[in-house]
Amino acid sequence: DAKTTQPPSMDCAEGRAANLPCNHSTISGNEYVYWYRQIHSQGPQYIIHGLKNNETNEMASLIITEDRKSSTLILPHATLRDTAVYYCIVLSYGGATNKLIFGTGTLLAVQP
Amino acid sequence: EPEVTQTPSHQVTQMGQEVILRCVPISNHLYFYWYRQILGQKVEFLVSFYNNEISEKSEIFDDQFSVERPDGSNFTLKIRSTKLEDSAMYFCASEGGQYYTQYFGPGTRLTVL
Repeated sequence: DAKTTQPPSMDCAEGRAANLPCNHSTISGNEYVYWYRQIHSQGPQYIIHGLKNNETNEMASLIITEDRKSSTLILPHATLRDTAVYYCIVLSYGGATNKLIFGTGTLLAVQP
Repeated sequence: EPEVTQTPSHQVTQMGQEVILRCVPISNHLYFYWYRQILGQKVEFLVSFYNNEISEKSEIFDDQFSVERPDGSNFTLKIRSTKLEDSAMYFCASEGGQYYTQYFGPGTRLTVL
């Protein structure tokens, strides 16, 4: 089972920041937080990941709380093309495999 | 930017037939995965593959399924005798580099009639 909890859906106005929360209260010290998104049955697309520091790339920012029990993915200027299901996944490295366990994610609907 | 490719994009088959789904992972990646997504459901892990052998497989990956890396570029998923419930999107992913990030292909939609 997924170790994360996300709201099932969110709306955001085009051009505004989209803030997608994720709870991972049972996260272990060696587990990373990964974010993927899936646009209408396409393959999941990697967005960003982090361990404990905040991270930023060309797609998004990831804010992880100090206790690491929750995080927020920020899309700074959402566009209609950002409408997708966003998945927050915790992952530890170094095992036999790094399989991803997907939950149901958050359906972000960007409104014009 | 390198990407994972999959063929065919859509495969229609009759129940009981064999199908082979093909994937070309990113060239310097060493870990390969298959996932599937039944319409309206979650993305589910099927199998992982490293160093020419299966690293882990899920309960879904029974004896009807097999994977192979027949050459240096392709990674295939074979379903020996398809069932109606095998109808799904099948995604290949490859992983490599410093941060173990998996990159997914666009998927193959398998329809079993």
